[in-house]
Amino acid sequence: AQTVTQSQPEMSVQEAETVTLSCTYDTSENNYYLFWYKQPPSRQMILVIRQEAYKQQNATENRFSVNFQKAAKSFSLKISDSQLGDTAMYFCAFRPIIQGAQKLVFGQGTRLTINP
Amino acid sequence: NAGVTQTPKFQVLKTGQSMTLQCAQDMNHNSMYWYRQDPGMGLRLIYYSASEGTTDKGEVPNGYNVSRLNKREFSLRLESAAPSQTSVYFCASKRGRGLQNTGELFFGEGSRLTVL
Repeated sequence: AQTVTQSQPEMSVQEAETVTLSCTYDTSENNYYLFWYKQPPSRQMILVIRQEAYKQQNATENRFSVNFQKAAKSFSLKISDSQLGDTAMYFCAFRPIIQGAQKLVFGQGTRLTINP
Repeated sequence: NAGVTQTPKFQVLKTGQSMTLQCAQDMNHNSMYWYRQDPGMGLRLIYYSASEGTTDKGEVPNGYNVSRLNKREFSLRLESAAPSQTSVYFCASKRGRGLQNTGELFFGEGSRLTVL
Protein backbone atom coordinates (compact mmCIF):
# COMPACT_ATOMS: atom_id res chain seq x y z
CA ALA A 1 0.00 0.00 0.00
CA GLN A 2 1.15 3.51 -0.74
CA THR A 3 1.68 5.89 2.14
CA VAL A 4 2.58 9.55 2.37
CA THR A 5 4.23 11.03 5.45
CA GLN A 6 4.59 14.65 6.41
CA SER A 7 6.75 14.77 9.50
CA GLN A 8 6.19 18.43 10.38
CA PRO A 9 2.70 19.00 11.85
CA GLU A 10 3.32 22.74 12.20
CA MET A 11 5.82 25.33 10.97
CA SER A 12 6.12 29.05 11.45
CA VAL A 13 8.37 31.57 9.67
CA GLN A 14 8.63 35.31 9.23
CA GLU A 15 7.32 37.00 6.14
CA ALA A 16 9.86 37.07 3.25
CA GLU A 17 11.77 34.07 4.60
CA THR A 18 12.18 30.82 2.73
CA VAL A 19 10.54 27.69 4.15
CA THR A 20 10.77 24.04 3.17
CA LEU A 21 8.03 21.51 3.90
CA SER A 22 8.99 17.84 3.96
CA CYS A 23 7.21 14.88 2.42
CA THR A 24 8.22 11.26 2.02
CA TYR A 25 6.25 8.48 0.42
CA ASP A 26 6.38 4.75 0.10
CA THR A 27 5.56 2.91 -3.11
CA SER A 28 6.76 0.09 -5.31
CA GLU A 29 5.52 1.83 -8.44
CA ASN A 30 7.94 3.47 -10.88
CA ASN A 31 5.59 5.96 -12.50
CA TYR A 32 3.43 8.29 -10.48
CA TYR A 33 2.35 11.84 -9.82
CA LEU A 34 3.19 13.86 -6.76
CA PHE A 35 1.28 16.94 -5.69
CA TRP A 36 1.30 19.69 -3.13
CA TYR A 37 -2.10 21.11 -2.24
CA LYS A 38 -2.73 24.24 -0.20
CA GLN A 39 -5.76 24.60 2.07
CA PRO A 40 -6.21 28.16 3.36
CA PRO A 41 -8.66 28.97 6.18
CA SER A 42 -11.43 29.15 3.58
CA ARG A 43 -11.07 25.32 3.32
CA GLN A 44 -10.77 25.30 -0.48
CA MET A 45 -8.09 22.84 -1.61
CA ILE A 46 -5.88 24.44 -4.22
CA LEU A 47 -3.23 22.70 -6.28
CA VAL A 48 0.15 24.35 -5.73
CA ILE A 49 2.47 22.23 -7.83
CA ARG A 50 2.67 18.86 -9.57
CA GLN A 51 5.60 16.58 -10.40
CA GLU A 52 5.66 13.59 -12.71
CA ALA A 53 8.04 10.92 -11.46
CA TYR A 54 9.51 10.27 -14.92
CA LYS A 55 10.69 13.88 -15.14
CA GLN A 56 14.06 14.49 -13.54
CA GLN A 57 13.69 18.25 -13.57
CA ASN A 58 12.13 19.68 -10.45
CA ALA A 59 8.83 21.47 -10.98
CA THR A 60 8.62 25.20 -10.32
CA GLU A 61 5.65 27.54 -10.09
CA ASN A 62 6.67 31.13 -9.34
CA ARG A 63 7.77 31.20 -5.67
CA PHE A 64 7.04 27.49 -5.21
CA SER A 65 9.49 24.78 -6.15
CA VAL A 66 10.05 21.17 -5.25
CA ASN A 67 13.06 19.02 -4.51
CA PHE A 68 12.14 15.62 -5.91
CA GLN A 69 14.49 12.83 -4.90
CA LYS A 70 13.07 9.68 -6.48
CA ALA A 71 15.57 7.24 -5.01
CA ALA A 72 14.99 8.62 -1.53
CA LYS A 73 11.22 8.87 -2.14
CA SER A 74 11.27 12.45 -0.97
CA PHE A 75 9.26 15.37 -2.30
CA SER A 76 9.80 18.61 -0.41
CA LEU A 77 8.17 21.96 -1.15
CA LYS A 78 10.15 25.19 -0.96
CA ILE A 79 8.36 28.49 -0.66
CA SER A 80 10.58 31.47 -1.38
CA ASP A 81 9.90 35.02 -0.25
CA SER A 82 6.98 33.81 1.86
CA GLN A 83 3.89 35.98 2.06
CA LEU A 84 1.11 36.28 4.62
CA GLY A 85 -1.25 34.70 2.09
CA ASP A 86 0.82 31.53 2.17
CA THR A 87 -0.55 30.78 5.63
CA ALA A 88 -2.45 27.52 5.18
CA MET A 89 -2.41 23.76 5.63
CA TYR A 90 -0.25 22.07 3.03
CA PHE A 91 -0.86 18.51 1.92
CA CYS A 92 1.47 16.28 -0.02
CA ALA A 93 -0.28 13.70 -2.21
CA PHE A 94 0.63 10.75 -4.42
CA ARG A 95 -1.05 8.87 -7.25
CA PRO A 96 0.43 6.02 -9.28
CA ILE A 97 0.12 6.09 -13.06
CA ILE A 98 -1.25 2.61 -13.60
CA GLN A 99 -4.40 1.21 -15.14
CA GLY A 100 -7.29 1.60 -12.77
CA ALA A 101 -5.46 3.67 -10.19
CA GLN A 102 -7.95 6.20 -9.02
CA LYS A 103 -7.31 7.46 -5.58
CA LEU A 104 -4.99 10.19 -4.45
CA VAL A 105 -3.20 9.34 -1.19
CA PHE A 106 -2.66 12.29 1.11
CA GLY A 107 -0.24 12.98 3.90
CA GLN A 108 -1.38 14.25 7.28
CA GLY A 109 -0.69 17.87 6.42
CA THR A 110 1.61 20.64 7.67
CA ARG A 111 0.12 23.79 9.13
CA LEU A 112 2.25 26.71 7.95
CA THR A 113 1.99 30.14 9.54
CA ILE A 114 3.65 33.18 8.02
CA ASN A 115 4.19 35.88 10.63
CA PRO A 116 4.34 39.59 9.79
CA ASN B 1 -16.38 29.03 -13.38
CA ALA B 2 -18.32 26.97 -10.84
CA GLY B 3 -16.01 23.91 -10.87
CA VAL B 4 -17.09 21.54 -8.10
CA THR B 5 -20.09 22.61 -6.02
CA GLN B 6 -21.07 20.99 -2.73
CA THR B 7 -24.17 21.49 -0.65
CA PRO B 8 -24.80 22.08 2.17
CA LYS B 9 -21.68 23.84 3.48
CA PHE B 10 -22.67 23.30 7.11
CA GLN B 11 -24.98 20.80 8.77
CA VAL B 12 -25.71 19.72 12.33
CA LEU B 13 -27.36 16.36 12.86
CA LYS B 14 -28.49 14.32 15.82
CA THR B 15 -27.27 10.75 16.19
CA GLY B 16 -29.39 8.44 14.06
CA GLN B 17 -30.57 11.07 11.60
CA SER B 18 -29.91 10.69 7.91
CA MET B 19 -28.75 13.18 5.34
CA THR B 20 -27.32 13.46 1.84
CA LEU B 21 -24.42 15.62 0.73
CA GLN B 22 -24.77 16.74 -2.86
CA CYS B 23 -21.92 17.32 -5.28
CA ALA B 24 -21.95 18.53 -8.87
CA GLN B 25 -19.14 19.35 -11.30
CA ASP B 26 -19.39 21.26 -14.55
CA MET B 27 -16.02 20.30 -16.04
CA ASN B 28 -17.22 17.14 -17.83
CA HIS B 29 -14.92 15.04 -15.65
CA ASN B 30 -15.26 11.28 -15.62
CA SER B 31 -14.15 10.50 -12.07
CA MET B 32 -15.60 11.82 -8.83
CA TYR B 33 -14.60 11.30 -5.20
CA TRP B 34 -15.72 11.80 -1.64
CA TYR B 35 -13.07 12.41 1.03
CA ARG B 36 -13.33 13.20 4.70
CA GLN B 37 -10.84 15.38 6.52
CA ASP B 38 -10.09 14.93 10.20
CA PRO B 39 -7.40 16.70 12.26
CA GLY B 40 -4.02 15.00 12.04
CA MET B 41 -5.24 12.45 9.50
CA GLY B 42 -5.20 14.29 6.22
CA LEU B 43 -7.86 13.36 3.70
CA ARG B 44 -9.20 9.83 3.57
CA LEU B 45 -11.15 8.45 0.64
CA ILE B 46 -14.68 7.31 1.41
CA TYR B 47 -15.99 6.32 -2.02
CA TYR B 48 -15.21 7.11 -5.60
CA SER B 49 -16.77 6.77 -9.01
CA ALA B 50 -14.36 6.17 -11.87
CA SER B 51 -17.05 6.81 -14.44
CA GLU B 52 -20.77 7.26 -14.75
CA GLY B 53 -22.53 4.14 -13.54
CA THR B 54 -19.72 2.81 -11.35
CA THR B 55 -18.86 3.31 -7.69
CA ASP B 56 -16.17 1.78 -5.49
CA LYS B 57 -15.22 1.81 -1.84
CA GLY B 58 -12.26 3.77 -0.58
CA GLU B 59 -10.43 3.53 2.73
CA VAL B 60 -13.31 4.40 5.08
CA PRO B 61 -16.66 3.46 3.47
CA ASN B 62 -18.49 2.14 6.54
CA GLY B 63 -21.60 4.12 7.40
CA TYR B 64 -21.85 5.76 3.98
CA ASN B 65 -23.52 5.14 0.64
CA VAL B 66 -23.05 6.95 -2.65
CA SER B 67 -24.93 7.46 -5.88
CA ARG B 68 -23.48 8.56 -9.20
CA LEU B 69 -26.67 10.09 -10.48
CA ASN B 70 -25.20 11.10 -13.84
CA LYS B 71 -21.86 12.33 -15.12
CA ARG B 72 -22.19 15.63 -13.25
CA GLU B 73 -23.49 14.54 -9.87
CA PHE B 74 -22.18 12.30 -7.09
CA SER B 75 -24.00 12.24 -3.76
CA LEU B 76 -22.92 10.90 -0.36
CA ARG B 77 -25.53 9.60 2.07
CA LEU B 78 -25.32 8.98 5.78
CA GLU B 79 -28.18 6.63 6.63
CA SER B 80 -27.81 6.78 10.41
CA ALA B 81 -25.36 9.45 11.49
CA ALA B 82 -22.92 8.79 14.32
CA PRO B 83 -20.68 11.22 16.26
CA SER B 84 -17.65 9.53 14.63
CA GLN B 85 -18.86 10.95 11.31
CA THR B 86 -18.33 14.50 12.49
CA SER B 87 -15.88 15.77 9.91
CA VAL B 88 -15.33 18.01 6.94
CA TYR B 89 -16.33 16.31 3.70
CA PHE B 90 -14.83 17.13 0.34
CA CYS B 91 -16.06 16.21 -3.08
CA ALA B 92 -13.54 16.17 -5.92
CA SER B 93 -13.38 15.33 -9.60
CA LYS B 94 -10.76 14.33 -12.15
CA ARG B 95 -10.72 14.10 -15.90
CA GLY B 96 -10.04 10.37 -16.09
CA ARG B 97 -8.30 8.68 -19.00
CA GLY B 98 -6.32 10.11 -21.89
CA LEU B 99 -3.53 12.55 -22.49
CA GLN B 100 -5.29 15.29 -20.58
CA ASN B 101 -5.35 13.21 -17.43
CA THR B 102 -2.78 14.92 -15.26
CA GLY B 103 -3.88 13.12 -12.14
CA GLU B 104 -4.98 16.36 -10.52
CA LEU B 105 -8.12 16.50 -8.39
CA PHE B 106 -10.37 19.54 -8.38
CA PHE B 107 -12.06 20.05 -5.03
CA GLY B 108 -15.26 21.58 -3.78
CA GLU B 109 -15.23 23.96 -0.84
CA GLY B 110 -16.08 21.30 1.70
CA SER B 111 -19.06 20.56 3.93
CA ARG B 112 -18.69 20.71 7.69
CA LEU B 113 -20.88 18.10 9.35
CA THR B 114 -21.40 17.86 13.09
CA VAL B 115 -23.21 14.90 14.61
CA LEU B 116 -24.37 15.42 18.19
